[in-house]
Amino acid sequence: GAGVSQSPSNKVTEKGKDVELRCDPISGHTALYWYRQSLGQGLEFLIYFQGNSAPDKSGLPSDRFSAERTGGSVSTLTIQRTQQEDSAVYLCASSLEGVGNEKLFFGSGTQLSVL
Amino acid sequence: AQSVTQPDIHITVSEGASLELRCNYSYGATPYLFWYVQSPGQGLQLLLKYFSGDTLVQGIKGFEAEFKRSQSSFNLRKPSVHWSDAAEYFCAVGAASGGYNKLIFGAGTRLAVHP
Repeated sequence: GAGVSQSPSNKVTEKGKDVELRCDPISGHTALYWYRQSLGQGLEFLIYFQGNSAPDKSGLPSDRFSAERTGGSVSTLTIQRTQQEDSAVYLCASSLEGVGNEKLFFGSGTQLSVL
Repeated sequence: AQSVTQPDIHITVSEGASLELRCNYSYGATPYLFWYVQSPGQGLQLLLKYFSGDTLVQGIKGFEAEFKRSQSSFNLRKPSVHWSDAAEYFCAVGAASGGYNKLIFGAGTRLAVHP
């Protein structure tokens, strides 16, 4: 596609429910990143996928968080048993090869609100 | 591991005034350094990046940044601010060795511009 697409743009859920957030990266980009943006916290790295390599999950805050990337393209971030502290904007980004000096292309994010 | 500090959470300047946003990083080797901007209702956009060569780099929208190794800094500057520059600005650091490494962002500086 023309840019990184994320859905839904807004998600309101009840505490304890599971949610799935979707990211469709730019066609041809092999690297995909998930970040979380909370008020006053900047962008917190969550997980990174690069080609067929094992993902870097070092930023996932707990085992309630997981992500997968099917066919090297679309990615889904799943949060199980949501808590109020999970409320944030979840941003997805992609880049061509995933090397350290590359520009990241960001989606518009999913605003998650846990009531 | 990399880390980024943006000491100023919020800055207000008058239109036409000069601007400097501070960024300090921690990384054991020569880093890749970036500034991204997040305007209201828009996604994150790359302003400029540094990874080698001239330590003064020019970016879009009239911004520039200077890499100072001795001070571990990469401050963003603009000689004359426009009202449309009101946004949140993020400094980020990436590893310059070993291929990929996750991009670590600072907490951001929110810029307000008075007419």
